[in-house]
Amino acid sequence: AQSVTQLGSHVSVSEGALVLLRCNYSSSVPPYLFWYVQYPNQGLQLLLKYTSAATLVKGINGFEAEFKKSETSFHLTKPSAHMSDAAEYFCAVSVTTDSWGKLQFGAGTQVVVTP
Amino acid sequence: DGGITQSPKYLFRKEGQNVTLSCEQNLNHDAMYWYRQDPGQGLRLIYYSQIVNDFQKGDIAEGYSVSREKKESFPLTVTSAQKNPTAFYLCASTNFKTGGTQPQHFGDGTRLSIL
Repeated sequence: AQSVTQLGSHVSVSEGALVLLRCNYSSSVPPYLFWYVQYPNQGLQLLLKYTSAATLVKGINGFEAEFKKSETSFHLTKPSAHMSDAAEYFCAVSVTTDSWGKLQFGAGTQVVVTP
Repeated sequence: DGGITQSPKYLFRKEGQNVTLSCEQNLNHDAMYWYRQDPGQGLRLIYYSQIVNDFQKGDIAEGYSVSREKKESFPLTVTSAQKNPTAFYLCASTNFKTGGTQPQHFGDGTRLSIL
């Protein structure tokens, strides 16, 4: 069964500093991986996805993630944090062992950006 | 623009009352999902549906019911049997036929509270 672990429930970064959010997955088959962002009282918005093409995936708002099979990781980064990046971020893996299109989500990482 | 509409945005339930959350999509997606979100727990799957008149229980289906009479609509009823219904509820959809490579699209959620 596929699963996702996000390391760190809260991350505080200074404006202009590197944002690094960690995600490790467990999967017996090649995974499809996603990062979503959620602003307060809103739904989830897709940042980027990995579907077995390039291992370095670029997304919206300057975010990117690198798929590392040897480390079973899919960490999300952004070189320079903006105040608007304050939100909750979720890593998710597609449950490809069935045909229902289900996703398994991590517990989320809340990002706080300080001036 | 295509998307998912959830209503109402805020909902209050009295003891012993059933309430229904609406989810409508105009993305022509086959699969639809309901999630419950509690602080620090990520998203947990309540019910999902692949086609009209068919749906499956997710991880936390007890106390909830759904219907799928139309492709674009997937309402969720929170019954009086759900003893702790206070949460943020998210509806999502996807084109599952592409084998799990497509992301899920989310509505803006309904926040349910107990009176």
